[in-house]
Amino acid sequence: SQQGEEDPQALSIQEGENATMNCSYKTSINNLQWYRQNSGRGLVHLILIRSNEREKHSGRLRVTLDTSKKSSSLLITASRAADTASYFCATDLIQGAQKLVFGQGTRLTINP
Amino acid sequence: GAGVSQTPSNKVTEKGKYVELRCDPISGHTALYWYRQSLGQGPEFLIYFQGTGAADDSGLPNDRFFAVRPEGSVSTLKIQRTERGDSAVYLCASSLFGAGLGETQYFGPGTRLLVL
Repeated sequence: SQQGEEDPQALSIQEGENATMNCSYKTSINNLQWYRQNSGRGLVHLILIRSNEREKHSGRLRVTLDTSKKSSSLLITASRAADTASYFCATDLIQGAQKLVFGQGTRLTINP
Repeated sequence: GAGVSQTPSNKVTEKGKYVELRCDPISGHTALYWYRQSLGQGPEFLIYFQGTGAADDSGLPNDRFFAVRPEGSVSTLKIQRTERGDSAVYLCASSLFGAGLGETQYFGPGTRLLVL
């Protein structure tokens, strides 16, 4: 079963705009990670945020984590056509900490 | 190698046949993971290896699925008596230590399996 839920399921914006995707999860976690996937193949790791962190930046990416609400958000600023992909959040649980539990993803389309 | 590699990229087989999917992790990574991704879904965990041993195989759907990692590097996922419902992309990932450290998992490009 999947514990993460991404919102929205699909997002279409104009190039240059910011894109925000949200993820909610159900049980306590060690860490939350965001991945990108192009064309249904390999996942590219974007950013990892630990349960004791609230915000993290990497280039045009900004991730927040609210453990009290069991939610995270991924913000991509100044979007580019190359950002078109599916984005997944993945959590590793305190129990059985090795496996990642993924949400269903947000399909992001950047229109030129 | 520079990243996780998986072979074959695509595999088409007939219902009832046996298939093997191979994963070459990043050199030096002790932890290896297999996931399965159906169309429109996120990846789902199958099995995790710490070295040569399967530390968690709770995601394997049934006894037709089996995986090995005999020398602690390359892993093979084996599916017996394939069914149409086994059609999916099979993803492999590796991480440096595993062991509950909450590490980044690095994914390969996947093997797309189609069972006719």
